[in-house]
Amino acid sequence: GQNIDQPTEMTATEGAIVQINCTYQTSGFNGLFWYQQHAGEAPTFLSYNVLDGLEEKGRFSSFLSRSKGYSYLLLKELQMKDSASYLCAVMDSNYQLIWGAGTKLIIKP
Amino acid sequence: IAGITQAPTSQILAAGRRMTLRCTQDMRHNAMYWYRQDLGLGLRLIHYSNTAGTTGKGEVPDGYSVSRANTDDFPLTLASAVPSQTSVYFCASSDGTSGIGEQFFGPGTRLTVL
Repeated sequence: GQNIDQPTEMTATEGAIVQINCTYQTSGFNGLFWYQQHAGEAPTFLSYNVLDGLEEKGRFSSFLSRSKGYSYLLLKELQMKDSASYLCAVMDSNYQLIWGAGTKLIIKP
Repeated sequence: IAGITQAPTSQILAAGRRMTLRCTQDMRHNAMYWYRQDLGLGLRLIHYSNTAGTTGKGEVPDGYSVSRANTDDFPLTLASAVPSQTSVYFCASSDGTSGIGEQFFGPGTRLTVL
């Protein structure tokens, strides 16, 4: 079966760094996506990794290891507006996205 | 219109009633998708369309139907609603020409079936 695992909830302090992990088992792999979803809103795209390594985009970075079926999203210099759910999704061999349940990130002042 | 719009924003529906959720995009994207999102679960794909005139079943298609008469519109119909279809429904689109591409989401429809 196909499975995406990520922690249900994490708490971090404003100004700090947090790493959100995602492990996956899917039928085929055509890339891994991270999305941000604020409460009551639609998901919005953050990053896409298809090759091993780190992709940096401002305060956000995403890492992929295909051999380990593992990715993480790193958020630096946390701001209160970063309080949201972060969704990990893998594109399978049929080019369909398989989604994790999301990690709710709570930022405390 | 900018991006993807969905209507209605929310709806309360009696069980057994028929309901169509509307989705329109103005980005000329080939691919469109319908997901449902339930607490504690990831987004689950209901139906998709890779291009106008074609549709396919996703992970949870039972009780739902779709059509894709043109590029812009992708309505989702519940023929006879049941309480288990209470959920938030998101429509999404992607360029999809190579199969790879970020998906853009509409604002969602919150549906309650009583």
